Amino acid sequence: GEDVEQSLFLSVREGDSSVINCTYTDSSSTYLYWYKQEPGAGLQLLTYIFSNMDMKQDQRLTVLLNKKDKHLSLRIADTQTGDSAIYFCAEIGYGGSQGNLIFGKGTKLSVKP
Amino acid sequence: EPEVTQTPSHQVTQMGQEVILRCVPISNHLYFYWYRQILGQKVEFLVSFYNNEISEKSEIFDDQFSVERPDGSNFTLKIRSTKLEDSAMYFCASSQDRGRGGYTFGSGTRLTVV
Repeated sequence: GEDVEQSLFLSVREGDSSVINCTYTDSSSTYLYWYKQEPGAGLQLLTYIFSNMDMKQDQRLTVLLNKKDKHLSLRIADTQTGDSAIYFCAEIGYGGSQGNLIFGKGTKLSVKP
Repeated sequence: EPEVTQTPSHQVTQMGQEVILRCVPISNHLYFYWYRQILGQKVEFLVSFYNNEISEKSEIFDDQFSVERPDGSNFTLKIRSTKLEDSAMYFCASSQDRGRGGYTFGSGTRLTVV
């Protein structure tokens, strides 16, 4: 079945760039998403990319998609302490998941001052 | 910005009791979902709902679960006889269409079964 994998932890210093990586298995994925979860809060959609794109930039966020390797990354430029959160990669596939979101376990980003 | 609202934020219940988790999706959205996240594990799909009926459900969504849109604004998840392993964060979400703009999630209800 479909699977989405992420590393569990990332620690960076304030002002550095953060890169969070994700791999997925469903080659029929049409949209791939990054969600952010702050402590005690819900899942906030940060950005998404359509599968025919290689890159999408949105202010400090850059999403790179390597469809051949099924690899997705989220780069946060000039990381701030307010960016500390859990970041979830998710895909919508139209294989077994029938159009529902499949999430990774989440990467906990810690930003040190 | 429109929000998905979930109540309560935290519910403690005894094993075997019934619980109802409530959600108010965004008013012009057509698709509604429940997901859950057991502590330390992935966010998992439970069920999707469209046009007043279940459109898809996962293996987790067995006979003890049901969903309802009782009035035109609320969307509820009922767990008939709770088990310890039902303890999780339950997220409601809604979307205008399947995919593209993504889903808007609520803040979640933390269910603790004791």
